[in-house]
Amino acid sequence: DQQVKQNSPSLSVQEGRISILNCDYTNSMFDYFLWYKKYPAEGPTFLISISSIKDKNEDGRFTVFLNKSAKHLSLHIVPSQPGDSAVYFCAASMDSNYQLIWGAGTKLIIKP
Amino acid sequence: EAGVAQSPRYKIIEKRQSVAFWCNPISGHATLYWYQQILGQGPKLLIQFQNNGVVDDSQLPKDRFSAERLKGVDSTLKIQPAKLEDSAVYLCASSSRLGRGGYNNEQFFGPGTRLTVL
Repeated sequence: DQQVKQNSPSLSVQEGRISILNCDYTNSMFDYFLWYKKYPAEGPTFLISISSIKDKNEDGRFTVFLNKSAKHLSLHIVPSQPGDSAVYFCAASMDSNYQLIWGAGTKLIIKP
Repeated sequence: EAGVAQSPRYKIIEKRQSVAFWCNPISGHATLYWYQQILGQGPKLLIQFQNNGVVDDSQLPKDRFSAERLKGVDSTLKIQPAKLEDSAVYLCASSSRLGRGGYNNEQFFGPGTRLTVL
């Protein structure tokens, strides 16, 4: 029972272009969503988050969009840089139970 | 600020052997998490501590896994006996959150321990 799904195992994008990573969820009780970035042999690091009261949150080159009716969120990276090559995980939680439920990750490859 | 420390980084054992992992969270972080990440999947929470008390261990296979957090700081996760399907990366994370509510769910992760069971 995957409550958080990242349907693209990998994504390849040209340097300087926009990277769009997608995440779908099934539990309408989720009210907080996070993106983590993971390099090989390291633990995930927090990237950006959004609460369900918003539909957009921006931090520098990173923007997360939330569509509650579609139970869908996306992470936009503009412009993409070689250092962005990593695995990106989407995670969700309910405020009443702050356990994070994680997607399987999307491997982003930025081509020079 | 020092990050979350974990040891060992890699461990290879044979099935039915036992193994232990150690985690030292960020100083002052009350909440500590152990995750299991199988290749190609997202992290799965095994157990969550707040100080030295267990908040959630519903997904911990208690017949073979155990964890403790003495004095509310360091934590150890043990597997005894190990099975082939326990091969995974074991991640420790900590956060400063106390109690429930609020939106600060940021967790800080250690580098993980890669366990291979042969």
